[in-house]
Amino acid sequence: DSGVTQTPKHLITATGQRVTLRCSPRSGDLSVYWYQQSLDQGLQFLIQYYNGEERAKGNILERFSAQQFPDLHSELNLSSLELGDSALYFCASSAASGANVLTFGAGSRLTVL
Amino acid sequence: AQSVTQPDIHITVSEGASLELRCNYSYGATPYLFWYVQSPGQGLQLLLKYFSGDTLVQGIKGFEAEFKRSQSSFNLRKPSVHWSDAAEYFCAVGASASGGSYIPTFGRGTSLIVHP
Repeated sequence: DSGVTQTPKHLITATGQRVTLRCSPRSGDLSVYWYQQSLDQGLQFLIQYYNGEERAKGNILERFSAQQFPDLHSELNLSSLELGDSALYFCASSAASGANVLTFGAGSRLTVL
Repeated sequence: AQSVTQPDIHITVSEGASLELRCNYSYGATPYLFWYVQSPGQGLQLLLKYFSGDTLVQGIKGFEAEFKRSQSSFNLRKPSVHWSDAAEYFCAVGASASGGSYIPTFGRGTSLIVHP
């Protein structure tokens, strides 16, 4: 157990729907990262939050949004889902915002039918 | 922009044999380098990291990696592979982003298959 908790583990939904993925960082970590892992794109960085504020943005689609709450958990919202959004979504946390080791959760597998 | 290349998509070795997984990076400044391992159905686990200092770094599970600036490489090695090492291995380079962040960029991964 890495200490980073992601729910749900698996999610199956239909095109056009909206889902929310949740992440609780490791105790004491202030920074949360979201990555998307797919067969054709590999591991792609989506977005980073530090202590409630957005710090860095990667290849995140406009249909996707995220936030980090005062208790430091984070949610990734995916809307108007398309078949191509099917992927494994990882959350990772680190103690700070700078050069740090990321601790990954087990991931949320999203299947869009 | 930074990038990481793992030239080998699959590597097959016999149990007990030595292993070397290749990683080349492209980054203008001093890199922060990582190797992670992903077992099926699991998240990524850190094997080792290089931030500065000794270019030969030791990690968990008997792995080591050597940073060679002249070759822009950070290859992962293990002298004797165990069946439980079968997994996907990812090399990553930490690159600076806005707001003082360092965002790891990952390679496409190398799948290690271990034959008994």
